[in-house]
Amino acid sequence: KQEVTQIPAALSVPEGENLVLNCSFTDSAIYNLQWFRQDPGKGLTSLLLIQSSQREQTSGRLNASLDKSSGRSTLYIAASQPGDSATYLCAVESQGGSEKLVFGKGTKLTVNP
Amino acid sequence: NAGVTQTPKFRVLKTGQSMTLLCAQDMNHEYMYWYRQDPGMGLRLIHYSVGEGTTAKGEVPDGYNVSRLKKQNFLLGLESAAPSQTSVYFCASTQRTRGGPGELFFGEGSRLTVL
Repeated sequence: KQEVTQIPAALSVPEGENLVLNCSFTDSAIYNLQWFRQDPGKGLTSLLLIQSSQREQTSGRLNASLDKSSGRSTLYIAASQPGDSATYLCAVESQGGSEKLVFGKGTKLTVNP
Repeated sequence: NAGVTQTPKFRVLKTGQSMTLLCAQDMNHEYMYWYRQDPGMGLRLIHYSVGEGTTAKGEVPDGYNVSRLKKQNFLLGLESAAPSQTSVYFCASTQRTRGGPGELFFGEGSRLTVL
């Protein structure tokens, strides 16, 4: 059974700092991995999707990497801003026809002005 | 485009009452999902559908039923609500390719309280 873990559960940083969020998964046979952002009281917004054949994806100040062999992904946020404050979740879908994502519990990020 | 729309956004029920949550998507996606989100538990899959007329059980299906009569709509029903079903419910949809799922689009959530 696929399990996804995100550490730390919460992170507080000063504005302008570069930071890394971690995601680990137990089954390396995955289709892809997605990173999401969730603002309080809102739904999830997809940030980056990394296919199993890819090593990384970039969007603006965000860069996500994938290392299937070690079962890890990182989300790098450059020059953090208060507007980046949110909960960040990663999710993976295992191969073998499961057809559904397994989510981590998220990292709550606070960027202080 | 509206994307994924959930109704209602808030609902309070008494134990034993029934209700239906509606999810509608306008992206012509084949795959639709219902999740519940609880503090400390993360997102858990209730039921999902891989196309019109199909449904399948997820991780926590007990106490819920679903229907996908039209491609754009996915309904989640509670036949006899229990306090343990107090949660925030999210609907999501995606289109799949040979490589697996595409980007997952979520609704804004439906907050349900069962007294």
